[in-house]
Amino acid sequence: EVQLVESGGGLVQPGGSLRLSCAASGFSFTNYSMNWVRQAPGKGLEWISYTTSWSKTIYYADSVKGRFIISRDNARNSLYLQMNSLRAEDTAMYYCARDRGSDWYFDLWGRGTLVTVSS
Amino acid sequence: EVVMTQSPASLSVSPGGRATLSCRAGQSVGTNLAWYQQKPGQAPRLLIYDASTRATGMPARFRGSGSGTEFTLTISSLHSEDSAVYYCQQYDHWLSFGQGTKLEIK
Repeated sequence: EVQLVESGGGLVQPGGSLRLSCAASGFSFTNYSMNWVRQAPGKGLEWISYTTSWSKTIYYADSVKGRFIISRDNARNSLYLQMNSLRAEDTAMYYCARDRGSDWYFDLWGRGTLVTVSS
Repeated sequence: EVVMTQSPASLSVSPGGRATLSCRAGQSVGTNLAWYQQKPGQAPRLLIYDASTRATGMPARFRGSGSGTEFTLTISSLHSEDSAVYYCQQYDHWLSFGQGTKLEIK
């Protein structure tokens, strides 16, 4: 089955760190660029980071630049998001999403992992 | 950033009816526009890309149209399971999402 499964979310204090993982299966992971998209409770979608298939190009939204690091391990078919210096406004459901490469829309999404930043 | 504005914010339509959702871009995005459906407690799902191409497995009841700055998602023969929030997203200039339209079928 073609799927993405996120993990690693949880409750963390402001200023803390967390590492999210996304396990891909059912497709050739190295053929796709990957992204993280988040959704604050009751809010809309916010793209936050992108990596090409071999990590040659990486982008971040301004809201997370300098604090979050995206990476991938193609041998393990996995995508990661290292989140540092977390703030209350980072509280959200975090989705990994596959894009089409030539066009930047998302044709496969995981079910998400919830990150709550609170003291 | 290209601002995407969706309207209405919410609408309620009877089963079997038709819903028309709008998405306006702050500048022309050509046909580089996608629509997503997000049901409560679920991840978004791709409905339409390139403004009018249905994603794999999406029924013909879902129709996307438009170009430039004005786009429409039309859903006909509405079913209760079509209740969801619908988002548009442009991918012509970087990428950005609309704020969503909540569709209720009742």
